[in-house]
Formats: sequence, C-alpha cells, structure tokens
Amino acid sequence: GESVGLHLPTLSVQEGDNSIINCAYSNSASDYFIWYKQESGKGPQFIIDIRSNMDKRQGQRVTVLLNKTVKHLSLQIAATQPGDSAVYFCAENMGLRDSGGYQKVTFGIGTKLQVIP
Amino acid sequence: EAGVAQSPRYKIIEKRQSVAFWCNPISGHATLYWYQQILGQGPKLLIQFQNNGVVDDSQLPKDRFSAERLKGVDSTLKIQPAKLEDSAVYLCASSSLAKNIQYFGAGTRLSVL
Repeated sequence: GESVGLHLPTLSVQEGDNSIINCAYSNSASDYFIWYKQESGKGPQFIIDIRSNMDKRQGQRVTVLLNKTVKHLSLQIAATQPGDSAVYFCAENMGLRDSGGYQKVTFGIGTKLQVIP
Repeated sequence: EAGVAQSPRYKIIEKRQSVAFWCNPISGHATLYWYQQILGQGPKLLIQFQNNGVVDDSQLPKDRFSAERLKGVDSTLKIQPAKLEDSAVYLCASSSLAKNIQYFGAGTRLSVL
C-alpha cells in the first residue's frame, strides 16, 4: 500500500465516545477483509473480519461496515477506552477463502487512535 | 494455545553484516508469513509459505534476503548483506488453511547502523 512515512493519520477521541476509523481498499476483487489492532511494541492482533457478501458485522464493542460500491471499510468502536489506543490496520484478502488455496493479503496504511482520558 | 514465537526481539548490526531471524508458528498452522514493517507504515509482505513451499515471494529482495521453512514448521529469514534501509520490524505470522486470520508474533526490531 501507499506509505505515509512517519505521519500516520491520527484520530483523537475522548474516553467514552465512539470512534470511527476509515479505510479505502484498492481491489474490487477482494473478497474478505480484516481489521487488526497493533499496540506499541507488539504484532498486529485480529479484531474482526467481514466477507464481501456482507455489509455489516458486529462484535463486542466493535462494528465493521463494508461499502463495496466505493471500496470503503470502516471500524466503529463503541465507548472507546484508554486500552483501545493503538494503530488500526485494515487488510484486504484476494483469493478463495474456503478452498485452502493461496490468498493474497494487503495491509492498508493504518490509523493511530489516541484516547484522551 | 501458544502464540507465534520470534527471536531475537532486538538486533543491532552494522551495514554489510548478516543477520538471521527465527519464527516458530502456531502448531498446526500450514501458512507462514514474513513481513517487513518500517516505522509508521503497515506491514509489507516479504514471503509466504504454505507448508514448506513458497507461494509468494514477489516482494522479497532476493539479492540480499532469503527465507526457508524446512519441514514445514519453523522458519528463518536472513539478510546478507544488510543495508541501512533494512532497519525495520520483521514480523512473522501464521494462519490455518481453514480460516485466513493471521496471528502475529511480537516481531524482531532490526537497527542497521
């Protein structure tokens, strides 16, 4: 994906507010999308996924929305907590998810979420 | 369930030296990935193995980087010789064939001086 160097997009939210993190993906053939959370000094951690035949999926405090028309993905975090502070990446998969075949994964740029206590 | 293990956590070398990183994936995961993450950027895939075969190494700088996954379990990534621009975190991830969620290790932070 494109690089923004050291200038990651940053979202600052007050503790308790809802957060919305956006992601534009590049390939209309992508059939599966995943959101990852990366805390400082750690590897990315799976949050939630969505298949291309869905437009919304909910987890615990998180919701992912998919708009295939404009190739846009968003992650909504309800009642944001200090522990949610991290960099969030969307990843798009191209491939036959259930066939065991090769799948190409591309990570987006990332958004840094800062939660203000 | 044990996670993905990587070592070392940190490595500092001078340019033109060699370095190797090790990864032990989650038991039973057929697919193993090596990523390079430069500060402020998303992970960039270097190489992907399925069992002990390479399925994608299109972004691996093959003149200096090499990787192997003998016996389809552990993997090593080597850089020889290192350049200043190789300074980054090297992440290893694994996934099962049934569900393509990647589980990442903590990474190895490489500084090339």
